[in-house]
Amino acid sequence: GQQVMQIPQYQHVQEGEDFTTYCNSSTTLSNIQWYKQRPGGHPVFLIQLVKSGEVKKQKRLTFQFGEAKKNSSLHITATQTTDVGTYFCAANNNDMRFGAGTRLTVKP
Amino acid sequence: EAQVTQNPRYLITVTGKKLTVTCSQNMNHEYMSWYRQDPGLGLRQIYYSMNVEVTDKGDVPEGYKVSRKEKRNFPLILESPSPNQTSLYFCASGGLAGADTQYFGPGTRLTVL
Repeated sequence: GQQVMQIPQYQHVQEGEDFTTYCNSSTTLSNIQWYKQRPGGHPVFLIQLVKSGEVKKQKRLTFQFGEAKKNSSLHITATQTTDVGTYFCAANNNDMRFGAGTRLTVKP
Repeated sequence: EAQVTQNPRYLITVTGKKLTVTCSQNMNHEYMSWYRQDPGLGLRQIYYSMNVEVTDKGDVPEGYKVSRKEKRNFPLILESPSPNQTSLYFCASGGLAGADTQYFGPGTRLTVL
């Protein structure tokens, strides 16, 4: 099955700084989903991207799907302490392949 | 309230003692799935089911069994648990495989001694 690589593994930022996590696949993806998991919690769905070159925004979060549908990114503008958690991408076919996640910590 | 429930939430057991982790959803979802989460490895899919009586292996099915006799339930069975199955387990459900959001249960933390 397709493998999804996600970087960086960890990111520590000062509150107010921006944050980006990247997902890459060696094969073309039919779609990609993003999840957030707070410390001690369970993954929570954020968004699904389907179209080549798609860009979606949710307040300070911007999600992009590459033109070749092999990569995706999540960008957070002006991080807040409430953004703390691990962000996962997931390649979504009948079976789900998750990236290893990027753990974000935010210093107030 | 729409939700996915798992039981037990925490379990400590010994090697070789059969156990079952239950998963139930009340959203009439067709798709259900089990994952394990280990540090640095993210979420890895164990088994998934696209509908009643239909189950398929995920990425790491060895040592696990599942069944889907009813739409709402998808138990995970460890016939002979081993220490390398110590992990955090999540059940999830979704409307349509490959096309829908997945809703995750709260997780079951399993320790096999």
